[in-house]
Amino acid sequence: AQKVTQAQTEISVVEKEDVTLDCVYETRDTTYYLFWYKQPPSGELVFLIRRNSFDEQNEISGRYSWNFQKSTSSFNFTITASQVVDSAVYFCALSEGASGTYKYIFGTGTRLKVLA
Amino acid sequence: SAVISQKPSRDICQRGTSLTIQCQVDSQVTMMFWYRQQPGQSLTLIATANQGSEATYESGFVIDKFPISRPNLTFSTLTVSNMSPEDSSIYLCSVAFGGELFFGEGSRLTVL
Repeated sequence: AQKVTQAQTEISVVEKEDVTLDCVYETRDTTYYLFWYKQPPSGELVFLIRRNSFDEQNEISGRYSWNFQKSTSSFNFTITASQVVDSAVYFCALSEGASGTYKYIFGTGTRLKVLA
Repeated sequence: SAVISQKPSRDICQRGTSLTIQCQVDSQVTMMFWYRQQPGQSLTLIATANQGSEATYESGFVIDKFPISRPNLTFSTLTVSNMSPEDSSIYLCSVAFGGELFFGEGSRLTVL
């Protein structure tokens, strides 16, 4: 069965600090997709990244970077030089299946507070 | 991408009543998903709705409480039946399109 664990319930950092959000997943499939979503205080869910199980390359997008390691079933998310606008709840999610259109299971989320 | 419209955006309901949430997508999609997000919590999948077949419910959710309709490839409804205060939550419709999960704005229900 699918499972996503985000052990960090809440993290507080001071602006300009780097912060890493952890995500550990469980799946029996060899084909799956991993996602990160951001939910700011306004409530909408903002898609950040999708990674398939066959692509272990790390990815960087501006201040965001993602480290995918199949050996440890982890898909961690790092924000470099954090800003107050990064304050939000971040969800990691997993979708099994070759098409990636099977059900999406979300972790419990990590609330990030960036203090000025 | 997919644009999803949900109605109502919010409602206040009385205990024991039922409310139907509508979800309209601007593209034809095979699967639609209904999630619940209780205050301060994560997204919990209620069911997956395929057009032309009965919805598949996750553990802890039953059709009598959350009946779902999926009459075509762009529309679905979720009914929250016989509501209690514990059903106060945000209900989200979502679709997978191009490998990404898109969400409606959510329907915030408050049950008194």
